[in-house]
Amino acid sequence: EIVMTQSPATLSVSPGERATLSCRTSHSVASNLAWYQQELGQAPRLLIYGASTRAAGIPARFSGSGSDTEFTLTISSLQSEDSAVYYCQEYNNWPQLTFGGGTKVEIK
Amino acid sequence: QLQQSGPGLVKPSETLSLTCIVSGGSISSTYYYWGWIRQPPGKGLEWIASMYYTGSTYYNPSLRSRVAISVDASKNQLSLKLNSVTAADTAVYYCARQYDWKYPDYWGQGTLVTVSS
Repeated sequence: EIVMTQSPATLSVSPGERATLSCRTSHSVASNLAWYQQELGQAPRLLIYGASTRAAGIPARFSGSGSDTEFTLTISSLQSEDSAVYYCQEYNNWPQLTFGGGTKVEIK
Repeated sequence: QLQQSGPGLVKPSETLSLTCIVSGGSISSTYYYWGWIRQPPGKGLEWIASMYYTGSTYYNPSLRSRVAISVDASKNQLSLKLNSVTAADTAVYYCARQYDWKYPDYWGQGTLVTVSS
């Protein structure tokens, strides 16, 4: 079973600053990792797949990097509408999908 | 679009039943799997089950004994049944389209299901 650890649990960032979110997996998932944004009361929205490919319509300020067991989601210049919980998800171990515990991004 | 429906309140030991109607595309597409994911209040996301239009099913081992997923291609509809529910099954349940088997790229609006007598 893959264990996925996201850090920090909460991140407080000022508008215009960079936000860096981490996702670590207990076993290698190669580049089979996705990131989601979930605003309060909404369904998750796919941001990144393949560790670094932005989904359709996702602003360029969102970028993903990493491989193997360590991954990063970067929001280059935080906007007020980026306040949300962000989840990573691995799909290397199908037929099982596993999500991380989430990082809450707050606007200072 | 994925439009979910189903009761918001289920009694303990009974069966939770949800449906998800797919519009704007065919549930029989070879590109996609279809799945259910849940989120207990204030907590993270948990994958429940997925299905391919051919009938192949895939279940979270922790829920396998209580879950059934099905597709009705004639209605473009996905369904979930979870039996013997307890308070621990209280959650927002989402249906989702998965690109291949890999990652959910479109999600339903979510249905809050509360298990309580």
